[in-house]
Amino acid sequence: DAGVIQSPRHEVTEMGQEVTLRCKPISGHNSLFWYRQTMMRGLELLIYFNNNVPIDDSGMPEDRFSAKMPNASFSTLKIQPSEPRDSAVYFCASTLTTGLTGELFFGEGSRLTVL
Amino acid sequence: AQSVTQPDIHITVSEGASLELRCNYSYGATPYLFWYVQSPGQGLQLLLKYFSGDTLVQGIKGFEAEFKRSQSSFNLRKPSVHWSDAAEYFCAVAPSNTNAGKSTFGDGTTLTVKP
Repeated sequence: DAGVIQSPRHEVTEMGQEVTLRCKPISGHNSLFWYRQTMMRGLELLIYFNNNVPIDDSGMPEDRFSAKMPNASFSTLKIQPSEPRDSAVYFCASTLTTGLTGELFFGEGSRLTVL
Repeated sequence: AQSVTQPDIHITVSEGASLELRCNYSYGATPYLFWYVQSPGQGLQLLLKYFSGDTLVQGIKGFEAEFKRSQSSFNLRKPSVHWSDAAEYFCAVAPSNTNAGKSTFGDGTTLTVKP
């Protein structure tokens, strides 16, 4: 089975531009998570969805960030307008939430550079 | 709220030597505990997890970890390190009976393996 698929793997953009990151979770998984990784702050949970519904977006830095999950096989994380401090690696992860928590399956990440 | 501390930012060991990476957590009850490994340019991959039962858990790639409630620790060990083990290692804790995605990650320990 294919793992979590993220695109693009690398994105370089200029300040003020809109950035859209995409994620396809593992088929059958019902929870999806967006994380951001930076040297300064480590790995931070931005938002997570359960059955396509956003459950907790308390980690979203500010209104410039938004995330959607229109169906079980696709999610986007959008930054508009982007700023240099948004430069980071953004990971998407998925899991199947059942009686016991399972492991997180991570994509390979999208490295964003905002100039 | 839970928290995770990985006291060692960087560890260097010789190939063939034993390894122990430290992890201390703070949580009011017995948490779910995880160790993940991240190779350069890759997403995180689960090495092992502890939910309950035997406090010594075996993982992939010859790793094991021991849950010690009295010390609030979940240290990762490997008897003989291989050069391919060079990577960054993350300890994570999630509240019991909740979603693995609510895991809090430590800041990571970077492992360098000397030939």
